Amino acid sequence: DAGVIQSPRHEVTEMGQEVTLRCKPISGHDYLFWYRQTMMRGLELLIYFNNNVPIDDSGMPEDRFSAKMPNASFSTLKIQPSEPRDSAVYFCASSLLAGVTDTQYFGPGTRLTVL
Amino acid sequence: QKEVEQDPGPLSVPEGAIVSLNCTYSNSAFQYFMWYRQYSRKGPELLMYTYSSGNKEDGRFTAQVDKSSKYISLFIRDSQPSDSATYLCAMIRRGGSYIPTFGRGTSLIVHP
Repeated sequence: DAGVIQSPRHEVTEMGQEVTLRCKPISGHDYLFWYRQTMMRGLELLIYFNNNVPIDDSGMPEDRFSAKMPNASFSTLKIQPSEPRDSAVYFCASSLLAGVTDTQYFGPGTRLTVL
Repeated sequence: QKEVEQDPGPLSVPEGAIVSLNCTYSNSAFQYFMWYRQYSRKGPELLMYTYSSGNKEDGRFTAQVDKSSKYISLFIRDSQPSDSATYLCAMIRRGGSYIPTFGRGTSLIVHP
């Protein structure tokens, strides 16, 4: 398997623009997670899905952020409008289940810069 | 204050040194403890997982948990330049969803 695939790898945009990040989880994994990583705050969970259904979105910073999972092989994280403070690395991860011993496999991340 | 505290470093050591990486936490409900390794420009990958107090060894890596002190450690013996990465601790609460809470990560540099 190719692992978790994210696109784009890098995104530079201007404040106020819409940004869409994409993720393809590992085939057969029922759980999908979106994280944001910054130097100041570390790795933070934004939202996670089980069988395409959002389970916990309490980490989504504000209404400008939205995430969807229209099918088992695709998810998007959208920021509209984007702001400079949204600059971070966004990771998608997937796991077979969500038990303690169920490893989350992370994608390579999307490095977002909002000017 | 974050629930999980981790010194960001960087920690710079010579090749062959014993490395000690640490995390402290405030929530006594944390029951499961993990260490992830993250190479530059890559996503984190699970390195080791332990449950409750005690030690767990895997090759050159030893994870140690002291629940009474709310303190966990990762030791790396005979460190190699290839160990240079950021190491993140992560913890899962007893009960509820098994979603980990991560530390900020410690940057480790092993120089030849």
